[in-house]
Amino acid sequence: GNSVTQMEGPVTLSEEAFLTINCTYTATGYPSLFWYVQYPGEGLQLLLKATKADDKGSNKGFEATYRKETTSFHLEKGSVQVSDSAVYFCALGQGGSEKLVFGKGMKLTVNP
Amino acid sequence: DAGVTQSPTHLIKTRGQQVTLRCSPKSGHDTVSWYQQALGQGPQFIFQYYEEEERQRGNFPDRFSGHQFPNYSSELNVNALLLGDSALYLCASSLGTNIQYFGAGTRLSVL
Repeated sequence: GNSVTQMEGPVTLSEEAFLTINCTYTATGYPSLFWYVQYPGEGLQLLLKATKADDKGSNKGFEATYRKETTSFHLEKGSVQVSDSAVYFCALGQGGSEKLVFGKGMKLTVNP
Repeated sequence: DAGVTQSPTHLIKTRGQQVTLRCSPKSGHDTVSWYQQALGQGPQFIFQYYEEEERQRGNFPDRFSGHQFPNYSSELNVNALLLGDSALYLCASSLGTNIQYFGAGTRLSVL
């Protein structure tokens, strides 16, 4: 079945550091890929998405590129801020309204 | 435009009891999915409702059941609660795509 494996934390960075969170997936066909973010005490917010190979999703300085050859969708940000402290989830979905399959999440703490 | 709303925000039950959680989808959305998020884990898909029917189901026992109403709102029911049912229950809504919008969740504690 479909699955997502993502880098687990927790990870602590200093403000303005570079961030990479690795995510790889296993799926048949051509899934859509997502990054969701969960701030403390809140639900999940869609951060960015990509629906086909070589698509790049971007939002709020975060970027991720859909790499079919390596089945990866790594999340990057060039300069993190304290406000980026949250839990980040990689997820995949197939079909028009299919369920989402999530990774275990990675907790990021950014210190000033 | 209201997003996905869930109620209640917190709930405490004892083993063996039954619980009902409620969800109102984002305006215009017709599909509701429910997820269970255990502490420190990613959300796990429970089931999805569309046109008042259960369209997909994850690997959860029959103690978990649901309903969707004509106005697209939904309920999640859990019978015979176990300690292991303690989790954050998330509702997500969508319209014809797999881009899902999540509510803030209901935190269920089973004692």
